[in-house]
Amino acid sequence: AQSVTQPDIHITVSEGASLELRCNYSYGATPYLFWYVQSPGQGLQLLLKYFSGDTLVQGIKGFEAEFKRSQSSFNLRKPSVHWSDAAEYFCAVGGGDDKIIFGKGTRLHILP
Amino acid sequence: EAQVTQNPRYLITVTGKKLTVTCSQNMNHEYMSWYRQDPGLGLRQIYYSMNVEVTDKGDVPEGYKVSRKEKRNFPLILESPSPNQTSLYFCASSSRYGGNQPQHFGDGTRLSIL
Repeated sequence: AQSVTQPDIHITVSEGASLELRCNYSYGATPYLFWYVQSPGQGLQLLLKYFSGDTLVQGIKGFEAEFKRSQSSFNLRKPSVHWSDAAEYFCAVGGGDDKIIFGKGTRLHILP
Repeated sequence: EAQVTQNPRYLITVTGKKLTVTCSQNMNHEYMSWYRQDPGLGLRQIYYSMNVEVTDKGDVPEGYKVSRKEKRNFPLILESPSPNQTSLYFCASSSRYGGNQPQHFGDGTRLSIL
């Protein structure tokens, strides 16, 4: 069965610092991978997705993620965070006719 | 503007009083879904619908009902709400069912059952 693990429940970084949020997945075939962001009081918004091809994908708001098949990972990165990036981030995996499964989320805190 | 609209955004009610949370999408999507979000548990799927008149249970369907009479609407019904249904609820839609379909989410409905 497919599953998604986000090992960090909370992450705190200083404004301007780089960011990496971890995501590990389990899926028997080639997965479809997503990152969503949930800002306070809002629904989830798609940041980026990986289906195939280049393993480094670019998303909105300056985020990128790298698919590493050997490590079953799809970590989200941003070179320099802004206070407005404070939110909860969800990794998700799907495949073929399977529905999308979400991780439990990582809450990002930004220090001024 | 493409969107998923949920109403109400906030509701405080009492145990046993039937309530309905509406969800409507304007993207002509076939697939719609309801989730609840609880601290430490992430998003858990309640029910989903692959098309009009086709609904199925998700991971936590107990205590909930849904219907899909029109493509755009997918209401969530709590016939006899209980305090353990206090949660943040999200409706989502995508073009069709499948693991490669990005989902569009509403802004959420925060329910408090006293």
